[in-house]
Amino acid sequence: NAGVTQTPKFQVLKTGQSMTLQCAQDMNHEYMSWYRQDPGMGLRLIHYSVGAGITDQGEVPNGYNVSRSTTEDFPLRLLSAAPSQTSVYFCASSYETGFSTGELFFGEGSRLTVL
Amino acid sequence: GDSVTQMEGPVTLSEEAFLTINCTYTATGYPSLFWYVQYPGEGLQLLLKATKADDKGSNKGFEATYRKETTSFHLEKGSVQVSDSAVYFCALIAGNNRKLIWGLGTSLAVNP
Repeated sequence: NAGVTQTPKFQVLKTGQSMTLQCAQDMNHEYMSWYRQDPGMGLRLIHYSVGAGITDQGEVPNGYNVSRSTTEDFPLRLLSAAPSQTSVYFCASSYETGFSTGELFFGEGSRLTVL
Repeated sequence: GDSVTQMEGPVTLSEEAFLTINCTYTATGYPSLFWYVQYPGEGLQLLLKATKADDKGSNKGFEATYRKETTSFHLEKGSVQVSDSAVYFCALIAGNNRKLIWGLGTSLAVNP
């Protein structure tokens, strides 16, 4: 059982480049989300989705785009990378559409460095 | 607004020592409380949870009791192992928007 799979695990970009972080889950979860983790800042929610075709902004959405065309996939796009986006990114999913239980399943993370 | 405050790390202990990681919260209504653990190089995983006052969550030898009177959810383990070395996050979910609110995490290093 793969759970939540993120790719790539590591990526180095130059300022202004674009890229997509991929996230896929095989648990048929309705809820999916992207977090970034920075030292001293904890986890911050970037975007989330409560089902295919539905996305919404979290607390730090600027500079990131998402889409949810299928239940399984929730890619995160950086259109023009900036050094401030250097971080570790986590995708997480939950079986609760209403997200009432608080139990999230996390991927292993993607470490992004923007030079 | 809702918030979670954890003790700052890093916490360094010897194997078999007693562990306490403090967590206090501010929330409207009746939040559910969680501890997540992040082992080196991995994503977070749910360690334990409690959904109402006086509930005790437990897993892998860890325990935490939901104390409404002190708005606390301290994580404890009687005898830590080297394999418990990780970052521990306290979190809550409350209110109408049902968003997870995270603490900043506490790093634990256990030496043999």
